Amino acid sequence: DGGITQSPKYLFRKEGQNVTLSCEQNLNHDAMYWYRQDPGQGLRLIYYSQIVNDFQKGDIAEGYSVSREKKESFPLTVTSAQKNPTAFYLCASSPGGRRSYEQYFGPGTRLTVT
Amino acid sequence: EDQVTQSPEALRLQEGESSSLNCSYTVSGLRGLFWYRQDPGKGPEFLFTLYSAGEEKEKERLKATLTKKESFLHITAPKPEDSATYLCAVRAGGSQGNLIFGKGTKLSVKP
Repeated sequence: DGGITQSPKYLFRKEGQNVTLSCEQNLNHDAMYWYRQDPGQGLRLIYYSQIVNDFQKGDIAEGYSVSREKKESFPLTVTSAQKNPTAFYLCASSPGGRRSYEQYFGPGTRLTVT
Repeated sequence: EDQVTQSPEALRLQEGESSSLNCSYTVSGLRGLFWYRQDPGKGPEFLFTLYSAGEEKEKERLKATLTKKESFLHITAPKPEDSATYLCAVRAGGSQGNLIFGKGTKLSVKP
């Protein structure tokens, strides 16, 4: 089955700790994205990558970092510099060509920092 | 500034009661409008892409339409399993492929 996997589903951390969220896709999609979803707000873009070894900041990149060493993987690190890290994090990918704007989402990781 | 507004925020329907969800947008050069369905605690599920005014797409009880200023998601004879939050997103001309999302409409269908 092709798809996007995110792990873990739930993650708990103490304030001041860095944490890395996993995102893997076997859809052979070129582009990958990280979003943050908070209650009552639309999805907000954190980082995106259109090609291996290259990525760009989205609207709310401060306090986050990413890497794209393989086409299939796009991990997100939430650093201690992120002031309000508790949120639902969504990873997405999109194919190239005519459908390059269609984004397909993983199941999400809910991060709670106390 | 590019913006997407969805209305209503929440909608309660009886099973079989048809209705529409609205997504209005102001963007510089629309390159696509996207509808997603999101169940609680899960990632959004892709439904439709619309590219130009007048375009329509259908899937089961859902039909999406597009004008130059807004899109509608029509739900015909909804069932309880249609209950979810429906998200609208647009891709503007200068956004390098990035989507701008609305806050969503939470639909509840009662039996």
